[in-house]
Amino acid sequence: AQSVAQPEDQVNVAEGNPLTVKCTYSVSGNPYLFWYVQYPNRGLQFLLKYITGDNLVKGSYGFEAEFNKSQTSFHLKKPSALVSDSALYFCAVRAAFSGGYNKLIFGAGTRLAVHP
Amino acid sequence: DVKVTQSSRYLVKRTGEKVFLECVQDMDHENMFWYRQDPGLGLRLIYFSYDVKMKEKGDIPEGYSVSREKKERFSLILESASTNQTSMYLCASSLMRAQGGQPQHFGDGTRLSIL
Repeated sequence: AQSVAQPEDQVNVAEGNPLTVKCTYSVSGNPYLFWYVQYPNRGLQFLLKYITGDNLVKGSYGFEAEFNKSQTSFHLKKPSALVSDSALYFCAVRAAFSGGYNKLIFGAGTRLAVHP
Repeated sequence: DVKVTQSSRYLVKRTGEKVFLECVQDMDHENMFWYRQDPGLGLRLIYFSYDVKMKEKGDIPEGYSVSREKKERFSLILESASTNQTSMYLCASSLMRAQGGQPQHFGDGTRLSIL
């Protein structure tokens, strides 16, 4: 079965410290992986994606994510957190055999709280 | 920048009403999607469309229908609204490429309450 797991409902981090938001996936074939961020009362904004190539992917707002095939993980990271990074973060994987339709399977989301 | 516009940010309707949620995108994207978002459940796909008049069921299509008469517009219809359809509804669009991998672009959502 295809699925995305975000094992932490909430992550708390102090401003200036590094942050990690975890994601593991299960899908047939090569995974296409995405991270999105949602600020209050807004839609989702695309942060970054992994399709192929380097396992470390850089995205918007200083975020990066590391693809680990053996652990089927795609953790989101940032070296130094900002209070303005506080938001809801979603990991997603493209559904197998969805081809150009780009159907995505989303995790339940992780709320990131960055404290001053 | 891609702009996906949902016609209402907040909507209150009564049980049994027929409800229309509208979504328009301005980037000539082939794919359009309707999701509902509920706390702890993430986003669940209701329907998607890959071309005008084409539609495919997602994971939770029951109680919903869709219409895509023009490429830029994708409508979600609640045939007879029920209280368990109270939710945040998100529309998204993306380019269609054979190899996939195009990011989806989202509207700001419609928070629908069914009384």
